[in-house]
Amino acid sequence: DAGITQSPRYKITETGRQVTLMCHQTWSHSYMFWYRQDLGHGLRLIYYSAAADITDKGEVPDGYVVSRSKTENFPLTLESATRSQTSVYFCATGWTASTDTQYFGPGTRLTVL
Amino acid sequence: DQQVKQNSPSLSVQEGRISILNCDYTNSMFDYFLWYKKYPAEGPTFLISISSIKDKNEDGRFTVFLNKSAKHLSLHIVPSQPGDSAVYFCAASPVAGSARQLTFGSGTQLTVLP
Repeated sequence: DAGITQSPRYKITETGRQVTLMCHQTWSHSYMFWYRQDLGHGLRLIYYSAAADITDKGEVPDGYVVSRSKTENFPLTLESATRSQTSVYFCATGWTASTDTQYFGPGTRLTVL
Repeated sequence: DQQVKQNSPSLSVQEGRISILNCDYTNSMFDYFLWYKKYPAEGPTFLISISSIKDKNEDGRFTVFLNKSAKHLSLHIVPSQPGDSAVYFCAASPVAGSARQLTFGSGTQLTVLP
């Protein structure tokens, strides 16, 4: 019972390729979030979801697509990867949108060559 | 333009001493402030928070101080332990507890030396 898992943990891809990062939770939390963390910057919200089939943009959504057909999964797709999308990506879940109840996954380190 | 700044990328402290991590912000609309702790290869975990109506909040060895007039907050860890070695992020939001509106600082790597 891992709670929240992300896969893959490391990914190297090339510019222009499509990449999907997976996030899976076993808690049935309503809310799920995707963040990116770049060197010298804090985490920035890409997309979030309040429930299955409900998603909304965060601070930096351009170049990303999300879906949430099932409560437990929240995949993040880079439709045509660019070098600027090289980053560490964190998924998080929570019963509510409150910061105090968020749980973060271990992250996926993505390198776009 | 970073609205939340952690100007010290790293800090080293001796075990048993006090660790003080600092954070400055520029947006007057921020009303709620948080600190997160992150170990290598793990996601951040929530540590402690403070509302703008308070100037201090304590939780065991961790205390957060808020100076609204200076737009400055700090995290004090007393006494520091080797297990406290991690990256600490401060974050701020205009709405209490809203994960959708959080702005993070860039983090400070704390190393507690045995």
